[in-house]
Amino acid sequence: SQQGEEDPQALSIQEGENATMNCSYKTSINNLQWYRQNSGRGLVHLILIRSNEREKHSGRLRVTLDTSKKSSSLLITASRAADTASYFCATLSNNAGNMLTFGGGTRLMVKP
Amino acid sequence: DAGITQSPRHKVTETGTPVTLRCHQTENHRYMYWYRQDPGHGLRLIHYSYGVKDTDKGEVSDGYSVSRSKTEDFLLTLESATSSQTSVYFCAIRGAGTDTQYFGPGTRLTVL
Repeated sequence: SQQGEEDPQALSIQEGENATMNCSYKTSINNLQWYRQNSGRGLVHLILIRSNEREKHSGRLRVTLDTSKKSSSLLITASRAADTASYFCATLSNNAGNMLTFGGGTRLMVKP
Repeated sequence: DAGITQSPRHKVTETGTPVTLRCHQTENHRYMYWYRQDPGHGLRLIHYSYGVKDTDKGEVSDGYSVSRSKTEDFLLTLESATSSQTSVYFCAIRGAGTDTQYFGPGTRLTVL
């Protein structure tokens, strides 16, 4: 079963627009991470937010976490064609040892 | 890619044959993971290792076995491949002192 569920499953925007992806999860977590995957490649870590944090920034990325709603969002500002990829949230649960549980991902297409 | 290689990168095999996938890392990380990625399911953990000869099951371990006789190598074996094991397989390591995982380039396995 998937701990994280991303929404939407697919998103298409124009270059320069902002892209927002959401992730919901089911159990209490230690931290939540976002990863990016370009077609045919491995996943690349983007950002980690801990359960006691509410917002985190990294360059054009902004992540929020609402533990009361068990949800997170990833905002990419001023998107570029190179941001076209799939984005996955992954949760590290308090009782899951060192295992990450991934959601199904959001496919983002940024049109030039 | 954090010094992670996977071999082979592509493999086509027949139902009932044994298959071994290899993950090799160059940075002496303690934790290593095997995932499979299928459309609509994101990444699902098969097995993981927390040291030489120390392994444990993940979410979808049935039909798979693993071995880790050296820190740098983590092998995934399908004893008798089935068509349902057609997938893309990713190896990952956990960075030292962090919950972040770093992924290899993947192995595309087709079982006919």
